Amino acid sequence: EAGVAQSPRYKIIEKRQSVAFWCNPISGHATLYWYQQILGQGPKLLIQFQNNGVVDDSQLPKDRFSAERLKGVDSTLKIQPAKLEDSAVYLCASRESPRRTGLTGELFFGEGSRLTVL
Amino acid sequence: SQKIEQNSEALNIQEGKTATLTCNYTNYSPAYLQWYRQDPGRGPVFLLLIRENEKEKRKERLKVTFDTTLKQSLFHITASQPADSATYLCAPTSGGYQKVTFGTGTKLQVIP
Repeated sequence: EAGVAQSPRYKIIEKRQSVAFWCNPISGHATLYWYQQILGQGPKLLIQFQNNGVVDDSQLPKDRFSAERLKGVDSTLKIQPAKLEDSAVYLCASRESPRRTGLTGELFFGEGSRLTVL
Repeated sequence: SQKIEQNSEALNIQEGKTATLTCNYTNYSPAYLQWYRQDPGRGPVFLLLIRENEKEKRKERLKVTFDTTLKQSLFHITASQPADSATYLCAPTSGGYQKVTFGTGTKLQVIP
């Protein structure tokens, strides 16, 4: 079974530029998460999708970050304009529908996209 | 606000000993709690899940306890090996749409 795919793996941009990250979850996984992980910290949830609907985006800085999940499969996370403090690894994770798996809860993560803002 | 705290310092232990990692949470009533392992430059990998009505869960050399009164989970690795060196993340998880919130992580170093 193919895992969660993310691209690009690394990106370096100047502040005020824009960047987009792409995630392809495991086939059939209804729930998709984007996390931001700053060096030395735990992952911080930015947005959670259930199919193509948003169920939680309370910690997404909506003035500069946006995310979409068209057709309930792939997802894109965009930052515009980027700030120095956005330097982090952006992790995408997916899981099966709770209805199918009950409370197994296991998230499958991609390798992450490392962003450096200069 | 919700807070999840893990051992703030890195944990160094001798090979063969038992490592015990702590996860405390406040202003939170998770339906279950997960533990993940993260190696440098990689995404977290799921290890174990324990439900709110379970006291203890075991998997090979791993053991997790969950005390909803103390709002605490303990994660044990017995007979630790250098290959167990990694950062370990606890993740209390809500019911419903299952929002997964991660702790700060504990870096474990097993010394040969």
